[in-house]
Amino acid sequence: QKEVEQNSGPLSVPEGAIASLNCTYSDRGSQSFFWYRQYSGKSPELIMFIYSNGDKEDGRFTAQLNKASQYVSLLIRDSQPSDSATYLCAVNPTGNQFYFGTGTSLTVIP
Amino acid sequence: KAGVTQTPRYLIKTRGQQVTLSCSPISGHRSVSWYQQTPGQGLQFLFEYFSETQRNKGNFPGRFSGRQFSNSRSEMNVSTLELGDSALYLCASSLGLTSGAGTDTQYFGPGTRLTVL
Repeated sequence: QKEVEQNSGPLSVPEGAIASLNCTYSDRGSQSFFWYRQYSGKSPELIMFIYSNGDKEDGRFTAQLNKASQYVSLLIRDSQPSDSATYLCAVNPTGNQFYFGTGTSLTVIP
Repeated sequence: KAGVTQTPRYLIKTRGQQVTLSCSPISGHRSVSWYQQTPGQGLQFLFEYFSETQRNKGNFPGRFSGRQFSNSRSEMNVSTLELGDSALYLCASSLGLTSGAGTDTQYFGPGTRLTVL
């Protein structure tokens, strides 16, 4: 069983819509959760992290964490074509080894 | 504050050769992790160094090795290159803290794109 699982997509949403990206993880002891965005040919860039149950908002992005169900999600409101990228979910259980999902490809259609 | 830097950005090698990649972490970061990324495979963890010691290791053959220097800069070496080693190699730096939620975050360098012919 993979440590972190994401739907590979592709996920397509129209401009202005809400994009919802989901991620599940296997290690119940995981404490920190991250979302990265990766444009084609570029390296991943950190969008936000979350470590408490509930929602965390940063601009148009909202991360949601549910430790009981072992999932973390990312909502992108008012999606823009510039949001088209691959979104990577990462989990840091302990020992500073980060586990990454394979990513969800998002396309925002103008 | 300067970000993570990696050199070189692009490399072309032939099978059987060896290659060394370099990574300079963000100032104050003591942990450097290396990843291999190929289309469809996602980020594959190679190893992590902290204070000049390998602290974590992924499932890669011994041809892949690394080290870290006292200034936290890290190098990764791949010997006897194979065609399948063609990939984007990413390093990520962090403080390296291991306790407490939300205490550590990884930041990626631009990557080194290695092509093996």
